[in-house]
Amino acid sequence: ETGVTQSPTHLIKTRGQQVTLRCSSQSGHNTVSWYQQALGQGPQFIFQYYREEENGRGNFPPRFSGLQFPNYSSELNVNALELDDSALYLCASSSVGAYEQYFGPGTRLTVT
Amino acid sequence: GNSVTQMEGPVTLSEEAFLTINCTYTATGYPSLFWYVQYPGEGLQLLLKATKADDKGSNKGFEATYRKETTSFHLEKGSVQVSDSAVYFCALSDLGETSGSRLTFGEGTQLTVNP
Repeated sequence: ETGVTQSPTHLIKTRGQQVTLRCSSQSGHNTVSWYQQALGQGPQFIFQYYREEENGRGNFPPRFSGLQFPNYSSELNVNALELDDSALYLCASSSVGAYEQYFGPGTRLTVT
Repeated sequence: GNSVTQMEGPVTLSEEAFLTINCTYTATGYPSLFWYVQYPGEGLQLLLKATKADDKGSNKGFEATYRKETTSFHLEKGSVQVSDSAVYFCALSDLGETSGSRLTFGEGTQLTVNP
């Protein structure tokens, strides 16, 4: 069984730029959620995708957007990067109707 | 809204000591409760879970009991090892009517175990 994978591992961007992060779900899972984890804090829910549509969103501005593809992989896009966007971005997959989520290793984004 | 409160850390223990990390929650409905562990430089790993009141989750010597009357889910281990050093997150999950589950996390507790 293949676990959740994310790419890239690390990324450095400049304020105002745009970034795309990628995630492949664990096999058999059809729902993908994205979380932002600032240094020293717990993860915060950004949004969730199911059947290629956004299926719930946390308290994040519209410049955070996403996609889910037919193979259940997903992208997180962030436009107009701000310094406070520097964080570990975690992707988690699950089956719809299930409470458990399984996390990937994360992408460390640094905005300078 | 939902929220999770963990005991303030960090926690430093000697090997073979008893561990308790307190977690309380606020939620509408009947959430499922989880403990996740994060080792340095890694993502989150599911440690244990409980889906209804009085359930006890257990894994790798760690235990936690879902206490609805005190809205708590405290993590315990009888004898910690150096390899248990990590950050521990308490989390709750609820299913929306039309959405999948979303996790609400506590702030995390850094555990350091010294030989």
